[in-house]
Amino acid sequence: AQSVTQPDIHITVSEGASLELRCNYSYGATPYLFWYVQSPGQGLQLLLKYFSGDTLVQGIKGFEAEFKRSQSSFNLRKPSVHWSDAAEYFCAVGAYNNNDMRFGAGTRLTVKP
Amino acid sequence: DGGITQSPKYLFRKEGQNVTLSCEQNLNHDAMYWYRQDPGQGLRLIYYSQIVNDFQKGDIAEGYSVSREKKESFPLTVTSAQKNPTAFYLCASSITPGSRETQYFGPGTRLLVL
Repeated sequence: AQSVTQPDIHITVSEGASLELRCNYSYGATPYLFWYVQSPGQGLQLLLKYFSGDTLVQGIKGFEAEFKRSQSSFNLRKPSVHWSDAAEYFCAVGAYNNNDMRFGAGTRLTVKP
Repeated sequence: DGGITQSPKYLFRKEGQNVTLSCEQNLNHDAMYWYRQDPGQGLRLIYYSQIVNDFQKGDIAEGYSVSREKKESFPLTVTSAQKNPTAFYLCASSITPGSRETQYFGPGTRLLVL
């Protein structure tokens, strides 16, 4: 079965600084990979997803992620963080059906003024 | 506006009581899901439904029950058999059950035990 690890529980960055959130997955075949964002007390919103093709994926709100098969990683990046990006970020890996999706434990992002 | 609604936002359960969480979607999606979210554990799948009148257990179905009598509705009942129900519950839907499909999430219900 697939699994996903987000090594960083909490990250703090200054507003305007660059951001990279790490995600490592375990799956025998080509995975379907997702990044979701959750604001406090809210549901999750999809930032971007990767199925195949170009390994650099662009998403909403200026986020991008790069799929690296050799490292089993799908790290999320943003060149310049805004205070409104403060939230919890979840990486997820899917298999055949959506009921097989596995979520990481999440990384909480704090943005310093 | 199309989307997923969950109610109530907060729910309190007394010992031995069953409670039902509502989930409604007007996206015309076939598949619906219930997740439980605990701090530091991410989301875990409770039940899912690929189509009306059908549902399957997820990873942590014990102490929960669901029904899918209408396409737009997928209520979750937390029974008295669920000994640790305090959590944030998220409902989601997707056009089809396929893993390429984006899951759309509702705003969640926080369940607390009195």
